[in-house]
Amino acid sequence: GAVVSQHPSRVICKSGTSVKIECRSLDFQATTMFWYRQFPKKSLMLMATSNEGSKATYEQGVEKDKFLINHASLTLSTLTVTSAHPEDSSFYICSARDFIGPSDNEQFFGPGTRLTVL
Amino acid sequence: QKEVEQNSGPLSVPEGAIASLNCTYSDRGSQSFFWYRQYSGKSPELIMSIYSNGDKEDGRFTAQLNKASQYVSLLIRDSQPSDSATYLCAVNVNTGNQFYFGTGTSLTVIP
Repeated sequence: GAVVSQHPSRVICKSGTSVKIECRSLDFQATTMFWYRQFPKKSLMLMATSNEGSKATYEQGVEKDKFLINHASLTLSTLTVTSAHPEDSSFYICSARDFIGPSDNEQFFGPGTRLTVL
Repeated sequence: QKEVEQNSGPLSVPEGAIASLNCTYSDRGSQSFFWYRQYSGKSPELIMSIYSNGDKEDGRFTAQLNKASQYVSLLIRDSQPSDSATYLCAVNVNTGNQFYFGTGTSLTVIP
């Protein structure tokens, strides 16, 4: 399957700082990427859908000014958690759709970023 | 009513047995169906995709789709302890960007 990378894999920061997470599709072009968060032993929660060259579509209850998403190219989307607080500590996972390849309707997940806000 | 429903489990099976995981969905317009495996602390990994009614086999895994009953299942034959994980069912409606995930079924394969 297609490969999606995320960086960093783990980050610890102080309350009030901003954290940027990168999501890259390594061997395919992804016009659409998705950002999820997952709390321990809970299910995936879709935060937003990121479309290359346009504004992200946020799910209800997700603050767009808090979670800034930029999808600047067909292989890169970034999520910035602004003014992070301890309640933002979570596992953040991105995924990407390969619209062109043989698996054109499948989502491939990055390895995730574990954020801990002190 | 949730878009995708799964029994949260936990489901326990002995090593070598068949594990059966079930998923129902509410939108009859759903066209694509996926099973993901997620180990604790890791991100989901795609196991199977299925688009038409019937069975699709890949190694020890078989996905079964019944659109009339709005039901999709995953069978794991010859279960191994390494299959112990949470299995997520996902549904894509009308090939757009609306993907819905179930809450996952926790599977434990007992040696």
